[in-house]
Amino acid sequence: DADVTQTPRNRITKTGKRIMLECSQTKGHDRMYWYRQDPGLGLRLIYYSFDVKDINKGEISDGYSVSRQAQAKFSLSLESAIPNQTALYFCATRTPGLAGGPGANVLTFGAGSRLTVL
Amino acid sequence: DAKTTQPPSMDCAEGRAANLPCNHSTISGNEYVYWYRQIHSQGPQYIIHGLKNNETNEMASLIITEDRKSSTLILPHATLRDTAVYYCIVSGGLSSNTGKLIFGQGTTLQVKP
Repeated sequence: DADVTQTPRNRITKTGKRIMLECSQTKGHDRMYWYRQDPGLGLRLIYYSFDVKDINKGEISDGYSVSRQAQAKFSLSLESAIPNQTALYFCATRTPGLAGGPGANVLTFGAGSRLTVL
Repeated sequence: DAKTTQPPSMDCAEGRAANLPCNHSTISGNEYVYWYRQIHSQGPQYIIHGLKNNETNEMASLIITEDRKSSTLILPHATLRDTAVYYCIVSGGLSSNTGKLIFGQGTTLQVKP
């Protein structure tokens, strides 16, 4: 089994629908992330979580919400999907480590969830 | 976090070494250099990271210049499966506790038979 599992892998939906992308991890890491990738724009951070009670906005959080149900689960929701949210979404966990120290920014990514909003 | 500059694309013959450069002239003393790669539409994969010393693991070697303003990722014997987008990222330091990584455009490496 993969260390970081994302579901669904592919989803097509219509404008205005509520969508949830789920992420679960078996690495026991506290820190989890949601990134979005668009062609030609690289990866952009949507939300990140340091633990169950700590949720932080990334650079493009508008239109998204998250829920950290447990250490192992971090869900991304689109309350009312719009076409420009069509993208490839990645969940990731971060290897524990001292801030700025070795391994502090080693991320393990899931396989991605491709979302198409019509 | 410091900004990085990479060539948009590179070719490499299969079996030869692939040398991917990265400029990070504004890197600060406590920032690390990280390399990730992304094979078409898959999740990015961590390769290697370093501070100032050269590093080697089972995937690659990382050479960082003495002034730390640039680095080179070396894949010693490139295979077709190494065809991917390679991202050089500078991050870290006590002011950066988020683990947030800024992915730029990266270098698309095409390994050719």
